[in-house]
Amino acid sequence: DAGITQSPRHKVTETGTPVTLRCHQTENHRYMYWYRQDPGHGLRLIHYSYGVKDTDKGEVSDGYSVSRSKTEDFLLTLESATSSQTSVYFCAIRGALGGAINEQYFGPGTRLTVT
Amino acid sequence: GNSVTQMEGPVTLSEEAFLTINCTYTATGYPSLFWYVQYPGEGLQLLLKATKADDKGSNKGFEATYRKETTSFHLEKGSVQVSDSAVYFCALTPTNRDDKIIFGKGTRLHILP
Repeated sequence: DAGITQSPRHKVTETGTPVTLRCHQTENHRYMYWYRQDPGHGLRLIHYSYGVKDTDKGEVSDGYSVSRSKTEDFLLTLESATSSQTSVYFCAIRGALGGAINEQYFGPGTRLTVT
Repeated sequence: GNSVTQMEGPVTLSEEAFLTINCTYTATGYPSLFWYVQYPGEGLQLLLKATKADDKGSNKGFEATYRKETTSFHLEKGSVQVSDSAVYFCALTPTNRDDKIIFGKGTRLHILP
């Protein structure tokens, strides 16, 4: 996951509060992704971005919004957190960290607990 | 549609045993296939890949061969180590130009010393 950082790495928040997770990349990649990982579900795509201010929904986008105002940062916002959004969130980039263009490379993850 | 099915875990083996984790896929066109590994507390790492039929991907003693006739991409290793304990994900992109990767649900592997 060289070149991809996520912050915070751990967060506990209360139901109904807004939460923003940040993904930062230093490699100038066009595509960035947000996933959530839950037991029994594997990885599920929440939203992705194919350029500055260009985003699209994934399979589990309800309750989440994203923004990408500059190439290196992709923000995921939970407008009003719910307990069902307790999960581990991973950011990924697509492109060459020495690889082919359709590979994805993942950040270290953010563990979010909503109480 | 496009999908990936991999064997459910957990899989428990003794050190130095032979490993196979089965993966089959459904895809239109000519997908690229991947295996990712996730060690405890970490993100996913690309383990190996294959981009066309009969290609063999290999890395760290792991191998997988792209079998179009059986739509499979099974992961194998001849002699596993305790350090191989992790969750393994099979994945595909339908074409090289696709924006998204489709993941299987993962197989947890435990290696006993």
